[in-house]
Amino acid sequence: EVQLVESGGGFVQPGGSLRLSCAASGFTFYSYAMNWVRRAPGRGLEWVSSIPGTSESTYYADSVKGRFTISRDNSKNTVFLQMNSLRAEDTAVYYCAKATSGYYLFDLWGRGTLVTVSS
Amino acid sequence: DIQMTQSPSSVSSSVGDRVTITCRASQGINSYLAWYQQKPGEAPELLIYTASNLQSGVPSRFSGSGSGTDFTLTISSLQPEDFATYYCQQASGFPLTFGGGTKVELK
Repeated sequence: EVQLVESGGGFVQPGGSLRLSCAASGFTFYSYAMNWVRRAPGRGLEWVSSIPGTSESTYYADSVKGRFTISRDNSKNTVFLQMNSLRAEDTAVYYCAKATSGYYLFDLWGRGTLVTVSS
Repeated sequence: DIQMTQSPSSVSSSVGDRVTITCRASQGINSYLAWYQQKPGEAPELLIYTASNLQSGVPSRFSGSGSGTDFTLTISSLQPEDFATYYCQQASGFPLTFGGGTKVELK
C-alpha cells in the first residue's frame, strides 16, 4: 500500500526538542523529494522543509531555519524532522508529504502528527 | 518570497452550485501550481497539479486553469462531500507557499 506514516509528535515545553519520523511504503522512496508541511490551530497550511531524493540540498521556511533539520535514510524509507528550540508558535499538526516527479507539489500525504509546545 | 492570495476566504453554496476559487501569485510562476482539498481532521488531498492537470482518482467536476499569476479552481456541480477548505500552492521556487485557504460551506 502506498502510504506515509508520521510519528514522534507530542507535548514539549518551550525550548525543548522533538524528532519527527515519517515512514514511507509502496513507492520508490529515493526517487522522490520529501517534505514537511504544518497546520497550526485555526490557521492554514504552511510549508516547513523539503529534501530531494539524494539529499544534495535542503530547504527551510524562514520561521524554522536554524532550529529545524530535515534528513532522510533511503535504506529505511524514512524522512526525519529534528526540531530544536521549540516555540509556542510551532504548535501544529505536522504532515509528511511526497513530492510529485519533477515538481515540489505534494501528491501523497500522511495523516499528520500533533506537536504541542506549551509550558 | 512569492505570495499567494486566494479569494474568497469563504463561500456559502448549495449542492449543485458551480463554485469558482481564485489564486493570484505575487509574481509569475508559470504553471507550477497545485490545488488541495482538506476536510476537518484529515490530511490534505491533491486535486490539481501544474495548474490544470486532474490528479488520478479526483472527480472530473474539479478543474483548474491559468498560468503566470492568475489561477482558478472550479467545481462544476458541488456535491455534499466537497464541503471543505481548499488551498493553492506554488512550486516555482523556495520558499514554497500556500494560499490562505477558501472554506466552502453549506448555504
